[in-house]
Amino acid sequence: DVQLVESGGGLVQPGGSLRLSCAASGFTFSSYAMSWVRQAPGKGLEWVSGISGSGGSTYYTDSVKGRFTISRDNSKNTLYLQVNSLRAEDTAAYYCAKMLWSSWYRGPFDYWGQGTLVTVSS
Amino acid sequence: DIVMTQSPDSLAVSLGERATINCKSSQSVLDSSNNKYYLAWYQQKPRQPPKLLIYWASTRESGVPDRFSGSGSGTDFTLTISSLQAEDVAVYYCQQYFNTLFTFGPGTKVDIK
Repeated sequence: DVQLVESGGGLVQPGGSLRLSCAASGFTFSSYAMSWVRQAPGKGLEWVSGISGSGGSTYYTDSVKGRFTISRDNSKNTLYLQVNSLRAEDTAAYYCAKMLWSSWYRGPFDYWGQGTLVTVSS
Repeated sequence: DIVMTQSPDSLAVSLGERATINCKSSQSVLDSSNNKYYLAWYQQKPRQPPKLLIYWASTRESGVPDRFSGSGSGTDFTLTISSLQAEDVAVYYCQQYFNTLFTFGPGTKVDIK
């Protein structure tokens, strides 16, 4: 069975950093593009960043460009999101999500993790 | 970026009745090379991650009950729940994956009347 397990969230001061991880299992990780999607408390879904299966292509929403970095280690079946210069508005549950089809980047997400909560507050 | 809007923000429907949710994209999400609309629908229940219901605007994901259907063309899309069940209480989101910068609609909350 496909499993995605996020970790690395926590309470951090404004301007601080965290590294989020997503451990994947149950599928050929390197064949699938992955994304991070966040959800602020009581709010809707916001796509944050995506990465191709090889890791050679990365994409970011404008509000995190230059502050967040997505990466993956296909030998460890793990997706990462380095989040720097955090702001209060980055407070959210961060989900990792798997693309439905292998070898594609543009597609819907068929599996999601349970999320890791990032709280930015002094 | 492609902006997605949804209407209504919320709706309450009696059990067994039809629920209709609308989604509009700020530009076309049709790929003329394959004639497919790059539009998906998700269901999110409280304290759960989203669940994929529909992709290509009208293709049901495996295991999704057939009371859920998607339709649309151009920039206007619809998710229909033909006979609302108690377990369908949730927030529903549309998402475009035409652009490499994916975007979601703001969500529509569905409740029982």
